[in-house]
Amino acid sequence: AQSVTQLDSHVSVSEGTPVLLRCNYSSSYSPSLFWYVQHPNKGLQLLLKYTSAATLVKGINGFEAEFKKSETSFHLTKPSAHMSDAAEYFCVVSAVSGGYQKVTFGTGTKLQVIP
Amino acid sequence: DAGVTQSPTHLIKTRGQQVTLRCSPKSGHDTVSWYQQALGQGPQFIFQYYEEEERQRGNFPDRFSGHQFPNYSSELNVNALLLGDSALYLCASSPSPGLVRETQYFGPGTRLLVL
Repeated sequence: AQSVTQLDSHVSVSEGTPVLLRCNYSSSYSPSLFWYVQHPNKGLQLLLKYTSAATLVKGINGFEAEFKKSETSFHLTKPSAHMSDAAEYFCVVSAVSGGYQKVTFGTGTKLQVIP
Repeated sequence: DAGVTQSPTHLIKTRGQQVTLRCSPKSGHDTVSWYQQALGQGPQFIFQYYEEEERQRGNFPDRFSGHQFPNYSSELNVNALLLGDSALYLCASSPSPGLVRETQYFGPGTRLLVL
């Protein structure tokens, strides 16, 4: 069984300040982990993914995430928030079950950026 | 190179009706997954198609069915619509169904409203 917990449903930051979106996961197998972003009325866009190589993963638009197996966490960070970062962010765990990739989404974190 | 496309973009139906949503995967992808995203929620996995067969299914009733064609495009059918079926329906494609690290690429979605 696998699951994803996004610890904050809403996060509010000021423009130019750091962003931290928290994600914890549970998986019986060695998973891959992803962060997707969804802007209003848009589809899901991949920000970054962890696939058992480097534990610190860099993504698009200055985002990065660190895989910590001991803490079962995959938190998303960005040093300086921009107005265009306002969106909903989803943490996703992927594992193979019965020979097929099984993907589970978290419930999402809505990021508000205050000018 | 076109990404994942979905049609229609919006749809309004009444309770008890049937609906068909369509998806064309990204070029080179042979696996299609469907998700339901209710307002304010994360995407929930409905099912996955590979080689024209349903390979995995989430916790959705039999009213939800699908099909994959030889050109890898796919349809999602929902019978006997309920008000609770109102949601954004997302299609995702990937180049392989069995790799944990595989990225799923999402279409813009079809927004279904059931009255």
